[in-house]
Amino acid sequence: DQQVKQNSPSLSVQEGRISILNCDYTNSMFDYFLWYKKYPAEGPTFLISISSIKDKNEDGRFTVFLNKSAKHLSLHIVPSQPGDSAVYFCAASATGTASKLTFGTGTRLQVTL
Amino acid sequence: DAGVIQSPRHEVTEMGQEVTLRCKPISGHDYLFWYRQTMMRGLELLIYFNNNVPIDDSGMPEDRFSAKMPNASFSTLKIQPSEPRDSAVYFCASSSTGFGDYGYTFGSGTRLTVV
Repeated sequence: DQQVKQNSPSLSVQEGRISILNCDYTNSMFDYFLWYKKYPAEGPTFLISISSIKDKNEDGRFTVFLNKSAKHLSLHIVPSQPGDSAVYFCAASATGTASKLTFGTGTRLQVTL
Repeated sequence: DAGVIQSPRHEVTEMGQEVTLRCKPISGHDYLFWYRQTMMRGLELLIYFNNNVPIDDSGMPEDRFSAKMPNASFSTLKIQPSEPRDSAVYFCASSSTGFGDYGYTFGSGTRLTVV
């Protein structure tokens, strides 16, 4: 049973445009959400996170939005760059078990010239 | 710092054989995590340690899987006997806080193929 779902396996976006990656979760105990980026033959690297007390968090070109009522979060990348081409994983954790991250299956983003 | 070091990078083994994956965490990191990545299930947490003690192994799929951390600088994940469905990329990660954000560092993974 996937508690964190990324329903789009892949996404292609032109350079300079906005990339929007989506993530849904089912466990209402989750209160901390993270995005990771993964290049081929490398491990994932932390990108940005958001606590459930917020609905938005920004870091440069990356913004994460959280809609708790819909159990949905999204990652916006503006503007998209070719170096952003990677697999993006959404992850979640719950208070008391913050070290237990539950990941989605990932979305492969390709930024084209 | 060299980061989290995993070995081997690739492993091909025959069904029924024992497989041992190795991990050296970042010095000073008290938490160590083992993950498995598959297309169908994404990244799954198998087990994690804090100060060399296993804290949660609820993600370990079967008794065929075992993990140890004999000291702060070394951990192993063993599969015995291995089966074709164990084919996946196995990642080790370490952290000083246990939280998934800054400082949570993954190794480059071991791609396991069981034939």
